[in-house]
Amino acid sequence: DAKTTQPTSMDCAEGRAANLPCNHSTISGNEYVYWYRQIHSQGPQYIIHGLKNNETNEMASLIITEDRKSSTLILPHATLRDTAVYYCIVRVTSNTNAGKSTFGDGTTLTVKP
Amino acid sequence: EPEVTQTPSHQVTQMGQEVILRCVPISNHLYFYWYRQILGQKVEFLVSFYNNEISEKSEIFDDQFSVERPDGSNFTLKIRSTKLEDSAMYFCAGGTGFYEQYFGPGTRLTVT
Repeated sequence: DAKTTQPTSMDCAEGRAANLPCNHSTISGNEYVYWYRQIHSQGPQYIIHGLKNNETNEMASLIITEDRKSSTLILPHATLRDTAVYYCIVRVTSNTNAGKSTFGDGTTLTVKP
Repeated sequence: EPEVTQTPSHQVTQMGQEVILRCVPISNHLYFYWYRQILGQKVEFLVSFYNNEISEKSEIFDDQFSVERPDGSNFTLKIRSTKLEDSAMYFCAGGTGFYEQYFGPGTRLTVT
């Protein structure tokens, strides 16, 4: 699976958009980009995933650059409860790799009042 | 909204003892996983399970570990002879397909 690089930490004001970047310059054509978050030692929480198109769900938006070498997770209106460690994971998704997610250090997002 | 549940929330055991950690995935999940997180370290993949057999396992998942889904609902992780270094949070996860995984709240295992 491709290696990802994320900033160690970020701050965001409550109510503002949080934009979390991820670099995955060695991504392969069959690798998806996944985002998870972990709030204070709880179980990781799935947020969103994508292959090459931008994706949006009720939690967030995922913007993937055209060359797929980087992506940005956008939380449109951050709240204090969004304070967490956010993980960007890149992995092949197939029946021979049905879930082996490799978690890195992630980005610690702190949402401030 | 259904959630993955895990029991117990905290297990304390003595070194050398066997422990069984239990997970109840969401009913329509077909793929099941165990991960662990040693305090202050990264979340680590242990094993994936599909169609009643192990799909993939990590180097951590040695002969001391086993998984099973005996009754079609519970998904268990057994550690036969616990070591001090097995102390960690153990997370179960499930999914309906190859994509997203839904994690449980974890079981904190403390080996003394």
